[in-house]
Amino acid sequence: SQQGEEDPQALSIQEGENATMNCSYKTSINNLQWYRQNSGRGLVHLILIRSNEREKHSGRLRVTLDTSKKSSSLLITASRAADTASYFCATVIKAAGNKLTFGGGTRVLVKP
Amino acid sequence: EAGVTQFPSHSVIEKGQTVTLRCDPISGHDNLYWYRRVMGKEIKFLLHFVKESKQDESGMPNNRFLAERTGGTYSTLKVQPAELEDSGVYFCASSQVSGTDNNEQFFGPGTRLTVL
Repeated sequence: SQQGEEDPQALSIQEGENATMNCSYKTSINNLQWYRQNSGRGLVHLILIRSNEREKHSGRLRVTLDTSKKSSSLLITASRAADTASYFCATVIKAAGNKLTFGGGTRVLVKP
Repeated sequence: EAGVTQFPSHSVIEKGQTVTLRCDPISGHDNLYWYRRVMGKEIKFLLHFVKESKQDESGMPNNRFLAERTGGTYSTLKVQPAELEDSGVYFCASSQVSGTDNNEQFFGPGTRLTVL
């Protein structure tokens, strides 16, 4: 099993709807980050939430973190066709330095 | 400000050949990371440089992979000899801060390596 596992693996929604994806992890973390990857492009950092934080917002993005359940969720509100991408959670583990440990990602398709 | 750049964007080689990937981090970023994603798998950490020193190379799969960062600027990742299972996308990332509390890493577009 991987440190970060994402659910669902794929998501298809209509423009204007909300998209929610979840990430679970196994060991204590320092922080958890969400990244987006558009087809053929690099990873773009979306938001970082520290282990002592429970919720963060950035524009249409809302991230929650539940350290007791070792899980996080990313909510995209009022989705747009341009939000079509793969979304990855990545954890920074206290004992493992700066490296990111990624989940398998959620592919999101927003239909116009 | 220029982002992280990687060269080449694509490389197709035959098994047994050598390939060298290059990464230019954001200017002033002391931290440089290599990751890769092989088909159907998660993005996996390979190694981390702080300036020219290897801070963590725990993710390097075997001794066919050699990473360098002479002078603490750009980095190269050489695969010699390449095997079929090395096919995938190799990402480079850089960051300014070293602490784990706020470690935003900026990623390059990746190099897609295909070994035939």
